[in-house]
Amino acid sequence: QQQVKQSPQSLIVQKGGISIINCAYENTAFDYFPWYQQFPGKGPALLIAIRPDVSEKKEGRFTISFNKSAKQFSLHIMDSQPGDSATYFCAASMGGGSQGNLIFGKGTKLSVKP
Amino acid sequence: KAGVTQTPRYLIKTRGQQVTLSCSPISGHRSVSWYQQTPGQGLQFLFEYFSETQRNKGNFPGRFSGRQFSNSRSEMNVSTLELGDSALYLCASRPGQGVFYGYTFGSGTRLTVV
Repeated sequence: QQQVKQSPQSLIVQKGGISIINCAYENTAFDYFPWYQQFPGKGPALLIAIRPDVSEKKEGRFTISFNKSAKQFSLHIMDSQPGDSATYFCAASMGGGSQGNLIFGKGTKLSVKP
Repeated sequence: KAGVTQTPRYLIKTRGQQVTLSCSPISGHRSVSWYQQTPGQGLQFLFEYFSETQRNKGNFPGRFSGRQFSNSRSEMNVSTLELGDSALYLCASRPGQGVFYGYTFGSGTRLTVV
C-alpha cells in the first residue's frame, strides 16, 4: 500500500512532441505528489508538485494531471526538448510536503530525439 | 544561496569496513533526510532528522545510522559494509515547518564496496 507505480520505464519522444509519464498509488493518506528530474551525476531536482485538492497544475511546459478517484497522476511535458532528456521520478508522501518521507516510483528515462 | 553539499563525492571501501558520509543542508533548513539510490531498488528512504532528533526511519538494518548536529549538518554511518551497500547516497534538506515544502537534494556520494 506504500508503493508508487510508475510507467513507462523508458520513453523516446521526438523534439516538439509531448512526453507523458504516469504514476499510480494505493495509500489514500498521501497528500503531496511531487515530480523530480534527475540528470546523470546529479541529485533529483524538484520539478513540480501537486496537492490532491486540485486536478491540474501547470508550470511552463510541465503539467501535472491528478485523478483522485483513480489514484493516478501524470506528468505531461509539452514541446519536449533534447535538454529534457533525463530520468523522471514521481513520488508521494503524507504530511503536506513538510514532513513525512517520500515514496518514489522507479523512474522513467526520457530521451528526446532532435 | 548554497545548495545541499555532500562530501565526499566518491568513496571506495572494502567489505567489512565502515564509512561516514557528510551532508550540509541549505542554510535555514532544519530537516535533513537520507536516501539510497540503486538501479534495482530505486530511491529508498533511510532516515530523517529534525532539530538533532531522528523523526522517521526507513526499513534498513541497524548497520545504517545517522545523526544531526546543532548546526543542522548531518552524517550517516554504515558499519560492516556489504557489497550490496554500493549505491548513490543522497541527502536532502527542507525547512521542516509549514506546508508544501519540497526537498532539495544534494548531488550524492557514490559509494562502491569491493
